[in-house]
Amino acid sequence: SQKIEQNSEALNIQEGKTATLTCNYTNYSPAYLQWYRQDPGRGPVFLLLIRENEKEKRKERLKVTFDTTLKQSLFHITASQPADSATYLCAHSNQAGTALIFGKGTTLSVSS
Amino acid sequence: DTAVSQTPKYLVTQMGNDKSIKCEQNLGHDTMYWYKQDSKKFLKIMFSYNNKELIINETVPNRFSPKSPDKAHLNLHINSLELGDSAVYFCASRHNGGSTDTQYFGPGTRLTVL
Repeated sequence: SQKIEQNSEALNIQEGKTATLTCNYTNYSPAYLQWYRQDPGRGPVFLLLIRENEKEKRKERLKVTFDTTLKQSLFHITASQPADSATYLCAHSNQAGTALIFGKGTTLSVSS
Repeated sequence: DTAVSQTPKYLVTQMGNDKSIKCEQNLGHDTMYWYKQDSKKFLKIMFSYNNKELIINETVPNRFSPKSPDKAHLNLHINSLELGDSAVYFCASRHNGGSTDTQYFGPGTRLTVL
């Protein structure tokens, strides 16, 4: 069955550093991957989508890469700030394209 | 002008009761979903509706019954609540016309079964 894994449950970094989160997928080659941010007590919010033919996508301080050989996506936050502290979820569509399959998320804590 | 709204935000009830959670989206989207997020924060699809028609019913007990009175609403009714039903339930929606299935989530309903 399709599986999507985010290896780190938690990541703690200092303000100003770059946070790098990892997402790996198995048993399926999705056409694109999505990243969402979830704050405590709130629903996930879409951040970025990267397609299989795109190596890299950027949005302000966010950067996502997609390596179809490694079956991996990396999510970077540069010049991190305490306000970036949240849980970040990786997701891709199921094969039928009828639903998203989410990883368990990585909780990022940025300390000042 | 909330995009996807859910009521109630919190729901505390006794085992064996029947309860409903309501969801509404004002985005004009065609597809709506219910997800369950357990205590380990794992977010899993339960149901998907497209234009009031059921598309997905993952392995969810038949005590859970979604109902879509119109394209903008997808409610979740749960019969005979069990302790294991305690979780946060999220409604989401997406537009069918796009080439991707980026979804918009509601704020969640935290269900606690005592």
